[in-house]
Amino acid sequence: TQLLEQSPQFLSIQEGENLTVYCNSSSVFSSLQWYRQEPGEGPVLLVTVVTGGEVKKLKRLTFQFGDARKDSSLHITAAQPGDTGLYLCAGAGAGSYQLTFGKGTKLSVIP
Amino acid sequence: GAGVSQSPSNKVTEKGKDVELRCDPISGHTALYWYRQRLGQGLEFLIYFQGNSAPDKSGLPSDRFSAERTGESVSTLTIQRTQQEDSAVYLCASSLASSGRYNEQFFGPGTRLTVL
Repeated sequence: TQLLEQSPQFLSIQEGENLTVYCNSSSVFSSLQWYRQEPGEGPVLLVTVVTGGEVKKLKRLTFQFGDARKDSSLHITAAQPGDTGLYLCAGAGAGSYQLTFGKGTKLSVIP
Repeated sequence: GAGVSQSPSNKVTEKGKDVELRCDPISGHTALYWYRQRLGQGLEFLIYFQGNSAPDKSGLPSDRFSAERTGESVSTLTIQRTQQEDSAVYLCASSLASSGRYNEQFFGPGTRLTVL
């Protein structure tokens, strides 16, 4: 069974601060996705990373896939209140249609 | 184009009653997934449909849970004899591709089920 552990579970920061969220596993994934979920809504895909060592940037968000494709990180620069939400990572095994989701990091950005 | 829609958005039921949850995927998406999300938890896979293939039911927690899909369109998730531990948000997702690397899933808003 593939498991993804996310840390921290909760994060409360002031507007303008930087933060990093981690997603770790002992399993290798062929791809890893990050989603953001706001209250009362379904998760929305932010990015997919597929190559070990890959770095993708989405405005103030930087995503990195570990060299061994077992872990990933999400770094947010100068956090804004609009970044508030639940951040979920999800990994896909080779040739598998199933995504394994982490439990998420609940981020609160205080104005 | 419309996204994934789910109905009802909220459902309150009494223990022991049956409930039916509906999902309308994005048109043209052949793959459809149901997940359960308990409060403070991640997403728990329930069932997967791909075209006319037999569904993968490996995530269904008990035989009280079942799901159907008509072709590549609407899906319904049925929970019989609901229990309080069934209370959760039930999310539906659809995707164009069914295999790993580019399996980008688009989620509906979910149905919040409360069993009293």
